[in-house]
Amino acid sequence: QVQLVESGGGVVQPGGSLRLSCAASGAASRLTFTSSAFHWVRQAPGMGLEWVAFIRSDGSNKYYADSVKGRFAISKDNSNNRLSLEMYSLRSEDTAMYYCAKDRNFGIFDSWGQGTLVTVSP
Amino acid sequence: IVLTQSPGTLSLSPGERATLSCRASQNTRYNYVAWYQQKPGQAPRLLIYGASNRATGIPDRFSGSGSGTDFTLTITRLEPEDFAMYYCQQYDKSPPWTFGQGTKVEFK
Repeated sequence: QVQLVESGGGVVQPGGSLRLSCAASGAASRLTFTSSAFHWVRQAPGMGLEWVAFIRSDGSNKYYADSVKGRFAISKDNSNNRLSLEMYSLRSEDTAMYYCAKDRNFGIFDSWGQGTLVTVSP
Repeated sequence: IVLTQSPGTLSLSPGERATLSCRASQNTRYNYVAWYQQKPGQAPRLLIYGASNRATGIPDRFSGSGSGTDFTLTITRLEPEDFAMYYCQQYDKSPPWTFGQGTKVEFK
């Protein structure tokens, strides 16, 4: 089982930028990370889950929710077991807990990090 | 695909049976529906995938069923640690991957 730990959240002004990271660790984590696709999922305060972005294991395909397309960029560094989410032109509606999640297969989220909180506020 | 969960809140006592519903706006091929449990302040945890397959380490009091557009998560005998929020998710016609709005199982 791979452990995922997010970092990089914080308070940012509207229009600002932030970079989130997700580090993978645990037994066989390098092989698991390299061979796995990953997602970012967010949850606004008191609200439900919203899928944000996806990246294939080798980084060859990336998909984004319409709400973040053109403003967010997902990337994967297999040599360092690290997933990232670059967020630009942040809006108040981007305020949420952001989770990275490993894709077991076809879009089943079988491992989740503990989340990192992003607050967009003047 | 839009997923609609019902009821919004389920008020039950430990030992009772919980039945949670998830309805999809379109037919799902291969029953590509998963269920997650989320407790306050924690990340979601995968319970069920493929509509009826329990994830690793999930107790057998949790079971999933359904096909097409109607899916059900059943908890046969509620334990105190089962009182939480539950989300269904589809991974059939994706992206985007979509979640239901959640059902809260609370103490009666």
